[in-house]
Amino acid sequence: EVQLVESGGGLVQPGGSLRLSCAASGFTFSNFWMSWVRQAPGKGLEWVANIKQDGSEKYYVDSVKGRFTISRDNAKNSLYLQMNSLRAEDTAVYYCAKGQKTNDYWGQGTLVTVSS
Amino acid sequence: QSALTQPPSASGSPGQSVTISCTGTSSDVGGYNYVSWYQQHPGKAPKLMIYEVSRRPSGVPDRFSGSKSGNTASLTVSGLQAEDEADYYCSSYAGSNNPRVFGGGTKLTVL
Repeated sequence: EVQLVESGGGLVQPGGSLRLSCAASGFTFSNFWMSWVRQAPGKGLEWVANIKQDGSEKYYVDSVKGRFTISRDNAKNSLYLQMNSLRAEDTAVYYCAKGQKTNDYWGQGTLVTVSS
Repeated sequence: QSALTQPPSASGSPGQSVTISCTGTSSDVGGYNYVSWYQQHPGKAPKLMIYEVSRRPSGVPDRFSGSKSGNTASLTVSGLQAEDEADYYCSSYAGSNNPRVFGGGTKLTVL
């Protein structure tokens, strides 16, 4: 059974940093692109970033370029999102999702709240 | 990276059919056969319902179907059931430099 479990969310002040993690199991993690998708409270889904199987390609939505970094550790079956210079508008539930062009499995999400 | 356009709401009675549209551009929906649809119940994670325009993952009822014409994709739910009441999001691949875009979501109400 595919499982994706996010962690690392919480309350952070504007300008602060946070690192999200996603532990994957039930599939060969190193064979798949992985993505982060977020959802602000009461709003729709927004793709944030994705990363190729070997980490050689990474893509970001314009609003997070230069502030967020996606990475992965295939030996640990884990996906990460380093978030720096956080803004109020980054407040959202962050989902880890399997895949690039289609996300066939999603985690339950971790809430990031940026507020003073 | 503009969002795809979906109607904010749709509704139908049990047993009826409803179609939700998703309009993009030739750079996303119209340019690739990588449109997917996700169902999201309140407080839950999204669930993949349709991928590659019209393909259904294992376990998704065949009441759910997808199609595309030009820059507009559609999700049709036939034989509406109470459990189909949820938010539905479309998404499209948009090329290597702007890989993914989502629609704003449609709240489906079963009357």
